Amino acid sequence: DTAVSQTPKYLVTQMGNDKSIKCEQNLGHDTMYWYKQDSKKFLKIMFSYNNKELIINETVPNRFSPKSPDKAHLNLHINSLELGDSAVYFCASSFTGAGAPDIQYFGAGTRLSVL
Amino acid sequence: QKEVEQDPGPLSVPEGAIVSLNCTYSNSAFQYFMWYRQYSRKGPELLMYTYSSGNKEDGRFTAQVDKSSKYISLFIRDSQPSDSATYLCAMSILTGRRALTFGSGTRLQVQP
Repeated sequence: DTAVSQTPKYLVTQMGNDKSIKCEQNLGHDTMYWYKQDSKKFLKIMFSYNNKELIINETVPNRFSPKSPDKAHLNLHINSLELGDSAVYFCASSFTGAGAPDIQYFGAGTRLSVL
Repeated sequence: QKEVEQDPGPLSVPEGAIVSLNCTYSNSAFQYFMWYRQYSRKGPELLMYTYSSGNKEDGRFTAQVDKSSKYISLFIRDSQPSDSATYLCAMSILTGRRALTFGSGTRLQVQP
C-alpha cells in the first residue's frame, strides 16, 4: 500500500495550459504539503494544509491554487503554465499533534515539463 | 544566504568507506533535524531524525546535532553501492510554521 500517492507521475504540456496534480495519503495524517524541487534538487515548501485549512502559503504565483477536499487529499491546480514551472512537485504528509515530531512522508513526485 | 547550507558534492567513495555528510544552518529556532535519502527519480525517504542536540544511531547510520555550532552530520559506516543517492538534510521548528527547510542535497556515489 502506497502511503502518499501522487498522480500523474509525468506531465508534459504546452505553455499556457491549465493542469492539476492530485495527492492522497492513507496514513491518517492531519497535515499535507506541496513542495517544489528545481533542477538543482533544491526542495522548497509551497503550501501546507491542516485538516483542510490553508496554513502555509509561500511566495508562489497565484496561478498555483491548492485545494483540499478532505484531510486525506490535497490537489494542486496550475493555471497558464509557464516554462519556469517545469520542476518536480512533491506531496508530503505528517501528523502535527502537540509535541509530535515533524516527520513528513513524501510521494514519488510529479515531473512537470512545460514546452 | 540560505537558511540551510549543504555541500552539493558529488562525493565519490569506495565501498566500505566511512562517509560524512554535513549541513550548517542559521536559524536557532530549528529543533527537529532530519536526514532524507533520495534515489534518482524517487521521492525523499526519511532516514533518521533527531530532536535538539545529541547523537542517534541506527544500524550503519549515525546522526549528530550540535546546536551550539548550528551544525549537523550524518555518518555512514561500511558504505554500500546501494547507499548511492542524494542525501538531504532538513530542519523544522517545534511549533507554528510546520514546514521543512531543506539543504540543497549532497550526491553520494559509492563505487563497488
